[in-house]
Amino acid sequence: SQELEQSPQSLIVQEGKNLTINCTSSKTLYGLYWYKQKYGEGLIFLMMLQKGGEEKSHEKITAKLDEKKQQSSLHITASQPSHAGIYLCGAINAGGTSYGKLTFGQGTILTVHP
Amino acid sequence: NAGVMQNPRHLVRRRGQEARLRCSPMKGHSHVYWYRQLPEEGLKFMVYLQKENIIDESGMPKERFSAEFPKEGPSILRIQQVVRGDSAAYFCASSRTSTGGLATNEKLFFGSGTQLSVL
Repeated sequence: SQELEQSPQSLIVQEGKNLTINCTSSKTLYGLYWYKQKYGEGLIFLMMLQKGGEEKSHEKITAKLDEKKQQSSLHITASQPSHAGIYLCGAINAGGTSYGKLTFGQGTILTVHP
Repeated sequence: NAGVMQNPRHLVRRRGQEARLRCSPMKGHSHVYWYRQLPEEGLKFMVYLQKENIIDESGMPKERFSAEFPKEGPSILRIQQVVRGDSAAYFCASSRTSTGGLATNEKLFFGSGTQLSVL
């Protein structure tokens, strides 16, 4: 079965700093979602990546799927306290019949100090 | 356009009782997925349903758990004779399509979850 490993597990940064979160898969990624979760709340969709080398941006968040399609990175530029939360990557299972059946990483807890 | 709606947000049950969790997908979505997030564990897939059909229940515990998505009304995740180990956050997600998702860049939207606490 596919496994996703996120690093780091937790991250504390000062407001205004840039940061990167990585998501590494044990198998080829056929598609990858990035979500943000506030404690005790649901998952907020950030981005979906499919093609090797694909890069997408939304406001100050950029995500990329590497060419070999086994790793994705999420980069936040000039972080703000509003970026704090748990970032989750979710992979579409290869060969599955549904792209909604995802395997998730353990999550990265981001804290941004004002 | 309302998102994925789950209720209740919080549910407290005593051991041995039944828990019913509801999920109304986004308008126009006919595919529903249930996930469970146990303390100290990641989010795990449980079951995938379309209207009136269970498509994939490979992540469902073999006993006490069942799910349905009737022609009318919300999807229901039912847990019979709950035990303390069932305490978790249960999330529902919905999508408009399934296998066509990769080609159409479909998004998978999640609800706010139901936090189940078993006393």
